Amino acid sequence: NAGVMQNPRHLVRRRGQEARLRCSPVKGHSHVYWYRQLPEEGLKFMVYLQKENIIDESGMPKERFSAEFPKEGPSILRIQQVVRGDSAAYFCASSSRGADGAFFGQGTRLTVV
Amino acid sequence: AQSVTQLDSQVPVFEEAPVELRCNYSSSVSVYLFWYVQYPNQGLQLLLKYLSGSTLVKGINGFEAEFNKSQTSFHLRKPSVHISDTAEYFCAVSEVNSGYALNFGKGTSLLVTP
Repeated sequence: NAGVMQNPRHLVRRRGQEARLRCSPVKGHSHVYWYRQLPEEGLKFMVYLQKENIIDESGMPKERFSAEFPKEGPSILRIQQVVRGDSAAYFCASSSRGADGAFFGQGTRLTVV
Repeated sequence: AQSVTQLDSQVPVFEEAPVELRCNYSSSVSVYLFWYVQYPNQGLQLLLKYLSGSTLVKGINGFEAEFNKSQTSFHLRKPSVHISDTAEYFCAVSEVNSGYALNFGKGTSLLVTP
């Protein structure tokens, strides 16, 4: 009974490259959330998805960031043309019925060099 | 919109002493309240949550929290801490019936020493 699986755990990208972060939710969970944690900061909500739908992307930067949760396969957070300010830990969470009791993955730590 | 304030960024405490981590929130609507713990280089683990009912909530690892609506607080307590409780603790809120986005405080670093 695996929890939320994120990969890779660590990702290094040069400025201008693309970063793809993957999240496999708990089996049976249809709600996925992405959060970003900057150094010395709490987690900031980015986007909430259900299967094939973006429900709320109010926390996503308007440019370069996109997310999807296809019918089959993991949820993907994509960051195009990364910049140093994108360096952070990105956490995915899943739940079966909204945010009450969301389970978090171990995060992907993105470093942009 | 809601906001969460964790009043202490760091709390040092001796092993076996009691501890209270403070959390205040503001919201124009009813909220759910959560405490999460994050160990170094790990994800977040849910300690406890308040959805409705009794205002005193018991969680894992001996932690408990009390929801105080009049003071808009949800302080986390443990009567006797262990070295292994050293971690970052996050308070979070979400709107009732919205079902999704958690708003997190900036976290409190609990350091337990012998």
